[in-house]
Amino acid sequence: DTAVSQTPKYLVTQMGNDKSIKCEQNLGHDTMYWYKQDSKKFLKIMFSYNNKELIINETVPNRFSPKSPDKAHLNLHINSLELGDSAVYFCASSPLGGGSYEQYFGPGTRLTVT
Amino acid sequence: QQQVKQSPQSLIVQKGGISIINCAYENTAFDYFPWYQQFPGKGPALLIAIRPDVSEKKEGRFTISFNKSAKQFSLHIMDSQPGDSATYFCAASGTSYDKVIFGPGTSLSVIP
Repeated sequence: DTAVSQTPKYLVTQMGNDKSIKCEQNLGHDTMYWYKQDSKKFLKIMFSYNNKELIINETVPNRFSPKSPDKAHLNLHINSLELGDSAVYFCASSPLGGGSYEQYFGPGTRLTVT
Repeated sequence: QQQVKQSPQSLIVQKGGISIINCAYENTAFDYFPWYQQFPGKGPALLIAIRPDVSEKKEGRFTISFNKSAKQFSLHIMDSQPGDSATYFCAASGTSYDKVIFGPGTSLSVIP
């Protein structure tokens, strides 16, 4: 059984479009995250939610909007896509709070903006 | 103060050799120091973690060494294998934090 799943795995779109990435975890965890990994492999946290409540909102353009319909799902919607948004986006979850060292990552969504 | 430094950026090791990745931190309030392993096309996965009151932790061929006074910790991979080729991230976390602080990563290539 997949623990943290994301769809789609690949997303190719043009500048200015709006797109969404979906994430689901079946681990029963309370905390979920979105990370962005750039071409240099640097992992940057974007958002974290604890039981549907927004905990972290890092310095991310407001074109990015997370939504958590329930504690097992955390989706990411991106408006007016820009070239610089091209990256791999990872969803993750953890059993404890946001500072928990034990994080379970999804397989990633490679977003390419042309 | 929340930054975690990591070196080297990339590492090439012969099969059977020892791979060593070093990390350093500033904030003494961290409770755990995990290492994550990421294979190409996959998400990072927790490899091993250590608490600051332990000087060494070993799991199979992977060992974390921790120097609390120097605020440094390192990952040693003994008998490195081509299957160990991946990007390794050190990190720091704690109950008083709301996120994990990741290092910039080390790309390890183990050549036959």
